[in-house]
Amino acid sequence: GENVEQHPSTLSVQEGDSAVIKCTYSDSASNYFPWYKQELGKRPQLIIDIRSNVGEKKDQRIAVTLNKTAKHFSLHITETQPEDSAVYFCAASIRSGGYQKVTFGIGTKLQVIP
Amino acid sequence: KAGVTQTPRYLIKTRGQQVTLSCSPISGHRSVSWYQQTPGQGLQFLFEYFSETQRNKGNFPGRFSGRQFSNSRSEMNVSTLELGDSALYLCASSFDGGNTEAFFGQGTRLTVV
Repeated sequence: GENVEQHPSTLSVQEGDSAVIKCTYSDSASNYFPWYKQELGKRPQLIIDIRSNVGEKKDQRIAVTLNKTAKHFSLHITETQPEDSAVYFCAASIRSGGYQKVTFGIGTKLQVIP
Repeated sequence: KAGVTQTPRYLIKTRGQQVTLSCSPISGHRSVSWYQQTPGQGLQFLFEYFSETQRNKGNFPGRFSGRQFSNSRSEMNVSTLELGDSALYLCASSFDGGNTEAFFGQGTRLTVV
């Protein structure tokens, strides 16, 4: 079935430490894996995405890795800062009714402690 | 270019009433998806419209319905409101759906009393 599992649900790190959020997906045909950040009271916004033909992608302090064989992907944030505190959602494109739709994980609330 | 616009931003309704929410996508985007967001439940997919056709539907009761107009604007309707329908309803537009970046609106906060 269509499923994206995300963990942990909450994560607290000290400023400057790294944070890792992990997700697994069920549809082997999934080929697009975006990550969204939602700050308190704001809309979710894309921070990074990866496609199935790439194993890793980096953008400054954030990186995403994809393991197609194991069907899991992870978000890595290095040198965390207080402004990284937010809820992070992973997502995967899932086949549904002949089309691709994006299914989201349940979210990870990241707190960066100054 | 203008972002995704949702109206109204806040809404208070009574149980049993119905409500209509509106979403104007980014110009040129033909896909509009709707999500319900509640604490601890993440972003639950309601449905997706593309070029006025519903392409995908989530696991919500038939009280939840939607439509899309020729200018890609979309509306979502909830009939016979229940207390459990209280949530933030987000719409997201994208160029062609599941394989491209989704841009979210600010959401409509619905409270059912």
